[in-house]
Amino acid sequence: QKEVEQNSGPLSVPEGAIASLNCTYSDRGSQSFFWYRQYSGKSPELIMFIYSNGDKEDGRFTAQLNKASQYVSLLIRDSQPSDSATYLCAVNQGGKLIFGQGTELSVKP
Amino acid sequence: SAVISQKPSRDICQRGTSLTIQCQVDSQVTMMFWYRQQPGQSLTLIATANQGSEATYESGFVIDKFPISRPNLTFSTLTVSNMSPEDSSIYLCSVIFQGTAYEQYFGPGTRLTVT
Repeated sequence: QKEVEQNSGPLSVPEGAIASLNCTYSDRGSQSFFWYRQYSGKSPELIMFIYSNGDKEDGRFTAQLNKASQYVSLLIRDSQPSDSATYLCAVNQGGKLIFGQGTELSVKP
Repeated sequence: SAVISQKPSRDICQRGTSLTIQCQVDSQVTMMFWYRQQPGQSLTLIATANQGSEATYESGFVIDKFPISRPNLTFSTLTVSNMSPEDSSIYLCSVIFQGTAYEQYFGPGTRLTVT
């Protein structure tokens, strides 16, 4: 079983729609969770982090964490073509980040 | 905002040679890490660079192949030794800045091709 799992996609949404990206993790003791955006040929960019159960909003982005169910999600409202990228979920386990395989998001104009 | 730089940004090397990658940060950091991202793959942690002492390597990575130095708080090097084509990857440093918790920020990466 992979430690951090994401659907590889591609996930295709129309411009203006809500994109929903999901991630599950296996280590129940994990305490901090991160979403990175990676454009093709670029390095990962930290866009959200969440440490407590519930929702955390930052602009068009909302991270949701449910530790009991061991999942974390990222919602992108009013999706734009510029949001097209690979989104990486990362979980802090024992001080180290464990990354999922990433979900490729395509926002169609 | 803080800047993380890496040198070189890319290189093409012959098998059997070694390449040293530098990572420099313009702010104080508490931790520095080195990752590898193979083509089409996610990120894999190579090691944690410890200031003034030996790096802490992850399973599958050894010091003889990937020697790491961190002489001060804001600078680290990763050497890829005795390269083979399988070492062709993007190598990334990441840091946790002083005053933050666990958030890691990545440098621009070094794209290495071994022929």
